[in-house]
Amino acid sequence: GDSVTQMEGPVTLSEEAFLTINCTYTATGYPSLFWYVQYPGEGLQLLLKATKADDKGSNKGFEATYRKETTSFHLEKGSVQVSDSAVYFCALSVLNTDKLIFGTGTRLQVFP
Amino acid sequence: NAGVTQTPKFRVLKTGQSMTLLCAQDMNHEYMYWYRQDPGMGLRLIHYSVGEGTTAKGEVPDGYNVSRLKKQNFLLGLESAAPSQTSVYFCASSYSMSGGPRDTQYFGPGTRLTVL
Repeated sequence: GDSVTQMEGPVTLSEEAFLTINCTYTATGYPSLFWYVQYPGEGLQLLLKATKADDKGSNKGFEATYRKETTSFHLEKGSVQVSDSAVYFCALSVLNTDKLIFGTGTRLQVFP
Repeated sequence: NAGVTQTPKFRVLKTGQSMTLLCAQDMNHEYMYWYRQDPGMGLRLIHYSVGEGTTAKGEVPDGYNVSRLKKQNFLLGLESAAPSQTSVYFCASSYSMSGGPRDTQYFGPGTRLTVL
């Protein structure tokens, strides 16, 4: 069945470090791919998305590229800030399923 | 434009009590969802709706019921609460969910429920 696998956390970084959070997926058909972010005490909010192969989603300095050949959608940021500390969820939607499939989330902790 | 709102924000119940969580959205979305979030388990889908008057089971529907009498509202009911239902509950809505670019789900702020 359709699924999303994320790297386990927590990921602990110093401010201005480079961030990568790995996400791979299994899906029938051609899914749309999403990264959501959950700040402490809040609901999830969309960070970025990509809807077809080789698309790059970007927002707030974060980027992810839809790689069909490796079934991946890794999240990257060149220089993290303390304010980026949150839980990040990778997700996919597939035609005719009516649902988003979420990964288990990766907690990022950034220290000054 | 308030987006997705949830009431209440916090609630404490005793085992066996019942309650209803209300989710409201003002974006004219067709699709609405209820999730629960537990430590180390990510988000799990409880029930969802693809339009007014429709509901469907998700991954963990047991012990919950839902209703979608109006397009903008999606109610989650616990008939007889159990300690295993202690969790944070999130509602979400989306314009579509068809594998395409409009499948973004918008989330409410959550309801923290404790069952003693």
